[in-house]
Amino acid sequence: DIQLTQSPSFLSASVGDRVTITCRASQGLPNSLAWYQQKPGKAPNLLIYAASTLQSGVPSRFSGSGSGTEFTLTISSVQPEDFATYYCQQLSSHLYSFGQGTKLEL
Amino acid sequence: QVQLQESGPGLVKPSETLSLTCTVSGGSYMNYYWSWIRQPPGKGLEWIGYIHYAGSTNYNPSFRSRVTISIDTSKNQVSLNLYSVTAADTAIYFCARADGVYSEYFRHWGQGTLVTVSS
Repeated sequence: DIQLTQSPSFLSASVGDRVTITCRASQGLPNSLAWYQQKPGKAPNLLIYAASTLQSGVPSRFSGSGSGTEFTLTISSVQPEDFATYYCQQLSSHLYSFGQGTKLEL
Repeated sequence: QVQLQESGPGLVKPSETLSLTCTVSGGSYMNYYWSWIRQPPGKGLEWIGYIHYAGSTNYNPSFRSRVTISIDTSKNQVSLNLYSVTAADTAIYFCARADGVYSEYFRHWGQGTLVTVSS
């Protein structure tokens, strides 16, 4: 099974900062990677799929990149509504897995 | 716009079976993979398993021995049965629809339902 490791687990930032979250896979990903944002009491919200494709309606300050075993999610200028927890996710051999999450804090 | 709604008991006793239903409305039901994902309080997301519209299933090896996911196409419902539960199964349970060329990501999620395992 492919394991996903996110870093950092906690990230402190101020409004307007540029932040980057990394997701490393234990093996090369055959079907690329997705990123989600989750706020307390809510279901995860898809931000990016296929490593770099922005889901419709997601602000352009979010971007994703990477391939193989290393992927990144970048927020170019953090806004107050972006303080949340972020997860990466993959599918391989018919098994899905998630990273452990990165909490973005003010 | 597809909507997913989880339902079921909010409290289950240890050693009993956790049973939840996900009702799908407002969108296509066919040719998709439907997953159950859970999140223990204050922790991360854990994929439990999926079922395809046509009935094929696959489960997280961590749950394989005590989980069944089924589908009722006449009611647009996907069900989860998790057997022999313990307090460690206390979590918010989400259903989600997989999208993408390889059904590799989850665009649509239910709001989730909290299930507490306690006597």
